[in-house]
Amino acid sequence: SQQGEEDPQALSIQEGENATMNCSYKTSINNLQWYRQNSGRGLVHLILIRSNEREKHSGRLRVTLDTSKKSSSLLITASRAADTASYFCATVYNTDKLIFGTGTRLQVFP
Amino acid sequence: ETGVTQTPRHLVMGMTNKKSLKCEQHLGHNAMYWYKQSAKKPLELMFVYSLEERVENNSVPSRFSPECPNSSHLFLHLHTLQPEDSALYLCASSQGPGGANEKLFFGSGTQLSVL
Repeated sequence: SQQGEEDPQALSIQEGENATMNCSYKTSINNLQWYRQNSGRGLVHLILIRSNEREKHSGRLRVTLDTSKKSSSLLITASRAADTASYFCATVYNTDKLIFGTGTRLQVFP
Repeated sequence: ETGVTQTPRHLVMGMTNKKSLKCEQHLGHNAMYWYKQSAKKPLELMFVYSLEERVENNSVPSRFSPECPNSSHLFLHLHTLQPEDSALYLCASSQGPGGANEKLFFGSGTQLSVL
């Protein structure tokens, strides 16, 4: 399988703490994307990072990419209860289609 | 709202029924997708349409039949489904013709239960 695999599978933190999720993949990529999914809803795109980029920021989100280790991380700083969701990384498959991992379930307690 | 609307939100059907899922995007995108999301499994790409032509069929059983009458609408026709087909079915669209540099816009999904 060439899907991304997120780690950990589940993460519970208190509001105000930082949350870090990791994604590992198996083959060379053009880009890697992170998505968020609230329970029973569709996915929402968060960030796209290209293979020639090492770090990208969007508000409280910071994504890093290490192509030598075939891994990416998503950091959410100063987390809020509203950040409670599942987070997925998505990588390119050989037909140029996005393939998603199983996700990290993040629970932020007030 | 993401600009992608799916109906119905919930559907319960028997194994002998025929039903259809509908997806409409209001974003002017050229590519549309069906994904299946089962519990504890990665999202599975089912079908991709680019400019109304099917460009991907990921070995999906024939009991699932997609239809894309125009670039704004996508249907998934269901017949003689099995209980293991129960899942959240997600529709998505992207600006370009299905390239991986595109970000996807998802609908809220149809939660399907097959009895």
